[in-house]
Amino acid sequence: GAVVSQHPSWVICKSGTSVKIECRSLDFQATTMFWYRQFPKQSLMLMATSNEGSKATYEQGVEKDKFLINHASLTLSTLTVTSAHPEDSSFYICSARVLGTQYFGPGTRLLVL
Amino acid sequence: TQLLEQSPQFLSIQEGENLTVYCNSSSVFSSLQWYRQEPGEGPVLLVTVVTGGEVKKLKRLTFQFGDARKDSSLHITAAQPGDTGLYLCAGAKGPFQGAQKLVFGQGTRLTINP
Repeated sequence: GAVVSQHPSWVICKSGTSVKIECRSLDFQATTMFWYRQFPKQSLMLMATSNEGSKATYEQGVEKDKFLINHASLTLSTLTVTSAHPEDSSFYICSARVLGTQYFGPGTRLLVL
Repeated sequence: TQLLEQSPQFLSIQEGENLTVYCNSSSVFSSLQWYRQEPGEGPVLLVTVVTGGEVKKLKRLTFQFGDARKDSSLHITAAQPGDTGLYLCAGAKGPFQGAQKLVFGQGTRLTINP
């Protein structure tokens, strides 16, 4: 299947700092990528849909000014968690769709101290 | 309100037993995907079912899409410890493929005891 990578795989930061997570489609172009977050022992929750060359579409309840998404190219989308707080600690996973199927990245574990 | 109800949420059985995981909804999906997720990793696609009534087999795993495309099941025959993991069903909804989103079930945490 298609390969999606994420970087970094884990990050620890201090409260108040910003963290950028990259999502890349390695062997295909993705006009649409998705960002999810997953809390321990829970399922995935869609945060936003990232569209190449246009603004991201955020799900209800997700603050667009806190979770900045940039999809500058057909193979790269970034999620920036601004002014991170401990409650933002979670597992963030991106995915890209190709031919109607979504493939997921390996995830980024964020711990905010 | 959970759009996709997945059951059971937890299942612990002995090696060699059979099991079925269910994914039910009142909504119609254009396709349904099953994923397996290991701790600390992203979900890995197992199968996509598209046609109502479709049955797909992947070794000891059998996936079925309901005739009305509202529900799906995953059956594992002769479970092995290597089958242990979190199984997620996800239905695709949207007016057309470009605008579709995946709706996830709560997941089934499966443990196969040797």
